[in-house]
Amino acid sequence: SQQGEEDPQALSIQEGENATMNCSYKTSINNLQWYRQNSGRGLVHLILIRSNEREKHSGRLRVTLDTSKKSSSLLITASRAADTASYFCATDRPDSWGKLQFGAGTQVVVTP
Amino acid sequence: DTAVSQTPKYLVTQMGNDKSIKCEQNLGHDTMYWYKQDSKKFLKIMFSYNNKELIINETVPNRFSPKSPDKAHLNLHINSLELGDSAVYFCASSRQGTGELFFGEGSRLTVL
Repeated sequence: SQQGEEDPQALSIQEGENATMNCSYKTSINNLQWYRQNSGRGLVHLILIRSNEREKHSGRLRVTLDTSKKSSSLLITASRAADTASYFCATDRPDSWGKLQFGAGTQVVVTP
Repeated sequence: DTAVSQTPKYLVTQMGNDKSIKCEQNLGHDTMYWYKQDSKKFLKIMFSYNNKELIINETVPNRFSPKSPDKAHLNLHINSLELGDSAVYFCASSRQGTGELFFGEGSRLTVL
């Protein structure tokens, strides 16, 4: 069954605005990762946050993790048209031998 | 100098045929994966190999047979193709213990 579920399914914003998407999961995790997928391309790793971390930054990306609520959020600040893509969260569970469980993604459209 | 490359990028074939997808990584990683992405963009792991040894084998029909001749290569052979096999198949690799996956660009399989 699906481990991570993203919300919203789709998000449309204008350049310069912030984009926030959420991910909920069901079981305990080693880490949670966010990936980006441009249309027709492979997934690209954005950021990894471990279960003992609460917040992480990478450039214009900010990820939070709340293990008590089993949820994570990805914030993209000052969005650009090039940020248009699908964003996926993926969880790595302690018993999974590196098997990442992906959600169905949030489709983000940034209009100039 | 592509990190994870898979061929072919597109594959259109008739039901009942047998086809193969090949994957190669030049990152020196020891673990490789096959993921299937359906039309709703949901990604599901199929197989994983670590140092040529099969370590993850999800509930996949036995018409799908992976093969890893060495650490840098992971191929996927599909027998007796069915309409439901139509999807994008992604190869990925990782260094054991890091969690981060590096994906290929995908192979879009269409079964007619």
